[in-house]
Amino acid sequence: KQEVTQIPAALSVPEGENLVLNCSFTDSAIYNLQWFRQDPGKGLTSLLLIQSSQREQTSGRLNASLDKSSGRSTLYIAASQPGDSATYLCAVRPSDYKLSFGAGTTVTVRA
Amino acid sequence: GAVVSQHPSRVICKSGTSVKIECRSLDFQATTMFWYRQFPKQSLMLMATSNEGSKATYEQGVEKDKFLINHASLTLSTLTVTSAHPEDSSFYICSALTGQANYGYTFGSGTRLTVV
Repeated sequence: KQEVTQIPAALSVPEGENLVLNCSFTDSAIYNLQWFRQDPGKGLTSLLLIQSSQREQTSGRLNASLDKSSGRSTLYIAASQPGDSATYLCAVRPSDYKLSFGAGTTVTVRA
Repeated sequence: GAVVSQHPSRVICKSGTSVKIECRSLDFQATTMFWYRQFPKQSLMLMATSNEGSKATYEQGVEKDKFLINHASLTLSTLTVTSAHPEDSSFYICSALTGQANYGYTFGSGTRLTVV
């Protein structure tokens, strides 16, 4: 069974600092990995999708890397802003359709 | 593109009544949709996989007679919580696989169910 772990569980940084969020998974036989953002009481917004053959994906201030062999992905958010405050979830998709989610990292960016 | 609309966003119901939650794919056809439940400060728990035109597949421990899923069209899946009890109070989220290689899964905005 795929186990997904996100460290740290919570993170508080001053505005402008870079954020590093970690995700690890136990089974490297994945189809892809997706990072999501969730605001309180809301659904999930997709941030980045990395296929198993890719090493990283970038979108604006966001960059996600994937090291499938070691079972790790890292989400980098450059120059954090208060609007980046949210919970970030990592989800791994195996060969079937079922996503395995981490518990998330709750980020607070202080103005 | 690849938008999923979930309705209602909030619902309060009395114990013993049933509540229906709708999940629609607005700009794509979703042959498969997923229903999740999320407890406070926890991650998402997959409840069932909804397949258009066939019976849903439920995860272990999820009561199929309590959580009725119907996926009658390529753009609509519904979750009905039957004979609701306070312990059914939770945040329910639907999801669909977009079929687009660079987009993956897209999620609805969630439904906060409170059973009183």
